[in-house]
Amino acid sequence: GAVVSQHPSWVICKSGTSVKIECRSLDFQATTMFWYRQFPKQSLMLMATSNEGSKATYEQGVEKDKFLINHASLTLSTLTVTSAHPEDSSFYICSAKPGQGQSPQHFGDGTRLSIL
Amino acid sequence: LAKTTQPISMDSYEGQEVNITCSHNNIATNDYITWYQQFPSQGPRFIIQGYKTKVTNEVASLFIPADRKSSTLSLPRVSLSDTAVYYCLVGAGGRRALTFGSGTRLQVQP
Repeated sequence: GAVVSQHPSWVICKSGTSVKIECRSLDFQATTMFWYRQFPKQSLMLMATSNEGSKATYEQGVEKDKFLINHASLTLSTLTVTSAHPEDSSFYICSAKPGQGQSPQHFGDGTRLSIL
Repeated sequence: LAKTTQPISMDSYEGQEVNITCSHNNIATNDYITWYQQFPSQGPRFIIQGYKTKVTNEVASLFIPADRKSSTLSLPRVSLSDTAVYYCLVGAGGRRALTFGSGTRLQVQP
């Protein structure tokens, strides 16, 4: 149980385009989802907390107009990287929690984004 | 949020028991301790979670002393496929995300 699916797993696109990444909780509802970013050989860095039906909460230094987050349902959150540039190339990972208690976060398998 | 400190890397051989210790001196009363495993180009995978004493599941054990200022993940009889980065996280859950430290890179040799 507690499966989180992320799509696409890999995307290459030209500089200036926008890219949407989907994160779905397959067998549970998640009022809160989280988006992380990971550079090679580094740890995961929290970008934002996605709340169903309300605005996302962004970490300091993360541009909310650059990384648009939509959490329209209890099973789906999307991250759109707008006007992507090569420095946005990274590994993006989402996670979700069943419930709000001490249940652990479950992670998707990530999206490798490469901007040419 | 409680900060965690882990060894950067560890080496082991197949069949050995591996113990990875995590320090979290400023853990709060409501915080739980959660361990994840991450392979290259994959999302972290939940291993085990605990609050105090000992927790065991089919893949690992988690030992937490009474003061809860540290915890030890124990992997019995590791195999080559256990080569990965292991993260110790501390947090109270709810709507707050877990913060990742640097993790421990475990290399298992044949």
